[in-house]
Amino acid sequence: DAGVIQSPRHEVTEMGQEVTLRCKPISGHDYLFWYRQTMMRGLELLIYFNNNVPIDDSGMPEDRFSAKMPNASFSTLKIQPSEPRDSAVYFCASSRDRGRGNQPQHFGDGTRLSIL
Amino acid sequence: AQSVTQLGSHVSVSEGALVLLRCNYSSSVPPYLFWYVQYPNQGLQLLLKYTTGATLVKGINGFEAEFKKSETSFHLTKPSAHMSDAAEYFCAVSRTGGGNKLTFGTGTQLKVEL
Repeated sequence: DAGVIQSPRHEVTEMGQEVTLRCKPISGHDYLFWYRQTMMRGLELLIYFNNNVPIDDSGMPEDRFSAKMPNASFSTLKIQPSEPRDSAVYFCASSRDRGRGNQPQHFGDGTRLSIL
Repeated sequence: AQSVTQLGSHVSVSEGALVLLRCNYSSSVPPYLFWYVQYPNQGLQLLLKYTTGATLVKGINGFEAEFKKSETSFHLTKPSAHMSDAAEYFCAVSRTGGGNKLTFGTGTQLKVEL
């Protein structure tokens, strides 16, 4: 089975530009999570969805960040306008829903974002 | 509320030596516990998980962990380290009704020396 697929793998852009990160979860998974990883702050949960509905976006740093999941096989994380402090590795993960909260998350390889 | 504490942000062992990475959790309900490994420039990969049943859990690459409720611990071990084990290791906790949401520790960087 294909794993979680993220694109692009690397993104370099200038401050002020719009950035869109994409994620295709594993087929049949009901949860989708977006994380950000930096040396200073470690791994941070930004937002997660259940059956395409956002459940908790309390980790989204500010209004410049937005995430959507228009269908079960696709999600985007958008930053507009981007700032140098947004430079990080962004991960998408997905998991099944067995109703008990005990299912592991499966991670993509991440998007390394550099804002100049 | 749940939390995970990983003792030691960096651990160094010799090749062939025992690997012990420590994880203590805090949870008001029975926890589900996970260990993940992250190799450079890659995402997190599941090593093993404890949900219910046997408290000694075996994972991939020769790793295992033991759930000790009395000590609120879930330490990761491997009898003999290999150079390829050098990576960052994350302990994580979730709970029933938590929607598969994981709370991660801050990670332990494992270095394996010749």
